[in-house]
Amino acid sequence: KNQVEQSPQSLIILEGKNCTLQCNYTVSPFSNLRWYKQDTGRGPVSLTIMTFSENTKSNGRYTATLDADTKQSSLHITASQLSDSASYICVVSAPWTGTASKLTFGTGTRLQVTL
Amino acid sequence: DTGVSQNPRHKITKRGQNVTFRCDPISEHNRLYWYRQTLGQGPEFLTYFQNEAQLEKSRLLSDRFSAERPKGSFSTLEIQRTEQGDSAMYLCASSLAGWQNNSPLHFGNGTRLTVT
Repeated sequence: KNQVEQSPQSLIILEGKNCTLQCNYTVSPFSNLRWYKQDTGRGPVSLTIMTFSENTKSNGRYTATLDADTKQSSLHITASQLSDSASYICVVSAPWTGTASKLTFGTGTRLQVTL
Repeated sequence: DTGVSQNPRHKITKRGQNVTFRCDPISEHNRLYWYRQTLGQGPEFLTYFQNEAQLEKSRLLSDRFSAERPKGSFSTLEIQRTEQGDSAMYLCASSLAGWQNNSPLHFGNGTRLTVT
């Protein structure tokens, strides 16, 4: 069964500090990996999308890495801000074959940034 | 790009009642998806449309659930005879192409359903 596991489940950091969130997956074959940010009570917003040939991708203070050999990804947040408080969801997709269900979502890491 | 719009934002209903949610995708997106999300979990796939055709339904979508996209634009999700277990956030998303093109899903802010 295709799975996406994220760690830690939750994290509290001080404003200005860096942090790294982890994502391990068993989805095979693999097409791409996405990180989404979801604020409380709102829908997920796409941060990065990486194919198997990409090792890293940045979006402002967010940098995602991918190791397709070990099936691991990380999301690094630099100089955290209070507005970074949210859930971060890792999503892995199998190649598109006309069905939409081959998009596997992790349960997310809940990040809280405090003063 | 006005984003994906969902209405209502919140719905409280009594068990056994029917409810209907609406989703207006980004106008040029031909693909539309419905997901359900419970607290502390990631979204779970429910169903998917390409234009007006419903191409896939999850086993999670029981006979009490029905979705339509009559003109290939907005979509509705109806739940009949609601049960307390239906309480969740219902998310709609749209995209321009399949994800082999690295096309991101654009999510709406969801409809929060509470069944009492």
